[in-house]
Amino acid sequence: EIVLTQSPGTLSLSPGERATLSCRASQSLSSSYLAWYQQKPGQAPRLLIYDASSRATGIPDRFSGSGSGTDFTLTISRLEPEDFAVYYCQHYDSSPTFGRGTKLEIK
Amino acid sequence: EMQLVESGGGLVQPGRSLRLSCAASGFTFDDYAMHWVRQAPGKGLEWVSGISWNSGSIGYADSVKGRFTISRDNAKNSLYLQLNSLRPEDTALYYCAKSFGIGYYYYSAMDVWGQGTTVTVSS
Repeated sequence: EIVLTQSPGTLSLSPGERATLSCRASQSLSSSYLAWYQQKPGQAPRLLIYDASSRATGIPDRFSGSGSGTDFTLTISRLEPEDFAVYYCQHYDSSPTFGRGTKLEIK
Repeated sequence: EMQLVESGGGLVQPGRSLRLSCAASGFTFDDYAMHWVRQAPGKGLEWVSGISWNSGSIGYADSVKGRFTISRDNAKNSLYLQLNSLRPEDTALYYCAKSFGIGYYYYSAMDVWGQGTTVTVSS
């Protein structure tokens, strides 16, 4: 089983700042089979990024994904108030697993 | 509009069984693999099980292997999860999710999610 480690556990930033979230895989992912999701309280997760760097339909371009192999990053270039939420990475190189999440909170 | 609606959750005693259902609409159901993902109260997401479009490829998380069974009925646009030998640690909100992109296997991202159905295992 591939284990995904997300860091930091909590990130405190202000609107307008840049957010950088990390996801590290316990083994290299072929073809960058990694996705990022946003989840707000009381809501289902929303797909943001697939294949490590492709934005899903309707996702603003302030969200970007990068990385390959074992190290992946989700960047939010300029935080909007609605971006404060929990973010999860998920691999699909084999049976999927999720990371434990990063909570992005308002400073 | 693509939509998934889960049902079948409830309060059940340890060791008992439950069957969850997921009704799909707004897309060609038998083109896509499907998944069950759960979230324990206050915790993160845990992938539970996935099934390919024709049920030829199925997988389970180690935590549920041998106790849970995923199935689908493409004629009814429905996905199911049979939960047997339930444990208190199975208490969670269970989401049904659609695979992103058409492919044979269930190894995929998930682009459409239901609102979930709650399973509570307690005596």
